[in-house]
Amino acid sequence: DSGVTQTPKHLITATGQRVTLRCSPRSGDLSVYWYQQSLDQGLQFLIQYYNGEERAKGNILERFSAQQFPDLHSELNLSSLELGDSALYFCASSVASGWSSYNEQFFGPGTRLTVL
Amino acid sequence: SQQGEEDPQALSIQEGENATMNCSYKTSINNLQWYRQNSGRGLVHLILIRSNEREKHSGRLRVTLDTSKKSSSLLITASRAADTASYFCATDAMGATNKLIFGTGTLLAVQP
Repeated sequence: DSGVTQTPKHLITATGQRVTLRCSPRSGDLSVYWYQQSLDQGLQFLIQYYNGEERAKGNILERFSAQQFPDLHSELNLSSLELGDSALYFCASSVASGWSSYNEQFFGPGTRLTVL
Repeated sequence: SQQGEEDPQALSIQEGENATMNCSYKTSINNLQWYRQNSGRGLVHLILIRSNEREKHSGRLRVTLDTSKKSSSLLITASRAADTASYFCATDAMGATNKLIFGTGTLLAVQP
């Protein structure tokens, strides 16, 4: 158990819908990262937040957005869902934010999103 | 786009044998990490090697890093059936963020 929790475990929805994925980082970790894992794209970094502020953006679509709340939990919002958005979405957390030579990230169990 | 490519894509060995997986990456890095993923599950951090280190051990794991060749290898000695999983390398590219860029992964199957 990494200490990172994600809800829900599974989500099945229809095209065009909007969903929210939730992540609670390990106690004491200030950084939260979101990753998407799909068969065709592999594991892709989406976005990072550090202590409530966006720190880095990766291959995140404009239909997707995220935020980190004062209690450090984070939500990833996916809207206007398409079939191709079906994937495993992972959240990870770490203590560090940037310019650190040591940044072990601890991953949650993931949310499996299926868009029908 | 993915930073790393792993080789082989898949590897099947017998219990007790050693397994070696290789990872190549493209840009300068702060560190390189190896993760394990059991089918459809979350990623488990195995080991981190800093850019100024050449070799690191953790239990049955040995990781090497050659920054001049931009490559790393993960050796699992005396493999067990429970080692069956996908293994990913991830690089923490130099810069002001800590985003990880993952390789394509090696699927390891250890036959009992």
